[in-house]
Amino acid sequence: DQQVKQNSPSLSVQEGRISILNCDYTNSMFDYFLWYKKYPAEGPTFLISISSIKDKNEDGRFTVFLNKSAKHLSLHIVPSQPGDSAVYFCAASNSGNTPLVFGKGTRLSVIA
Amino acid sequence: DSGVTQTPKHLITATGQRVTLRCSPRSGDLSVYWYQQSLDQGLQFLIHYYNGEERAKGNILERFSAQQFPDLHSELNLSSLELGDSALYFCASTDSPGNYGYTFGSGTRLTVV
Repeated sequence: DQQVKQNSPSLSVQEGRISILNCDYTNSMFDYFLWYKKYPAEGPTFLISISSIKDKNEDGRFTVFLNKSAKHLSLHIVPSQPGDSAVYFCAASNSGNTPLVFGKGTRLSVIA
Repeated sequence: DSGVTQTPKHLITATGQRVTLRCSPRSGDLSVYWYQQSLDQGLQFLIHYYNGEERAKGNILERFSAQQFPDLHSELNLSSLELGDSALYFCASTDSPGNYGYTFGSGTRLTVV
């Protein structure tokens, strides 16, 4: 049973436009959410996170929104740049020592 | 360079064999996590060690085992390999279990033929 779902395997966006990547979760105990970015031949790198006590967190061009009632979060990238082309993983955890649970990832392609 | 070192980068071996994957965490990090990424799959958690002690187990097969040594490097041992074990194996480290900003290594790509 997949607890973290990224239903769009891929997304293509034009440079300068907004990229919206979505993630759903089923475990209501999750209270901390993260996004990781992965380039080919590299490991995932931490991008941005959000705690369940917030509904929005911004870091430069990246904003994560959390809708707890819908068990849904999204990552917005504005404006999108060709260097943002990568696989984006959504991850979640409940507080304490439980390891992160990852989704399958969404491959973002930003077209110049 | 993330600071987490995984060796080897690539490994090709035959079914039934045994291999050892090695991970050196970022300097100062005590927690090591192992994840498996199979084709079209997300990162599946295998096992977590903190300062030499096993802290959590995920979907790790009985044919797989791991340990973390006093110098904090970790090894993942995979035995009786099957074709389905072909995957990318990632190691990640943090300074403490409650810190979720994992630093990942670049992975070991295992191909079982």
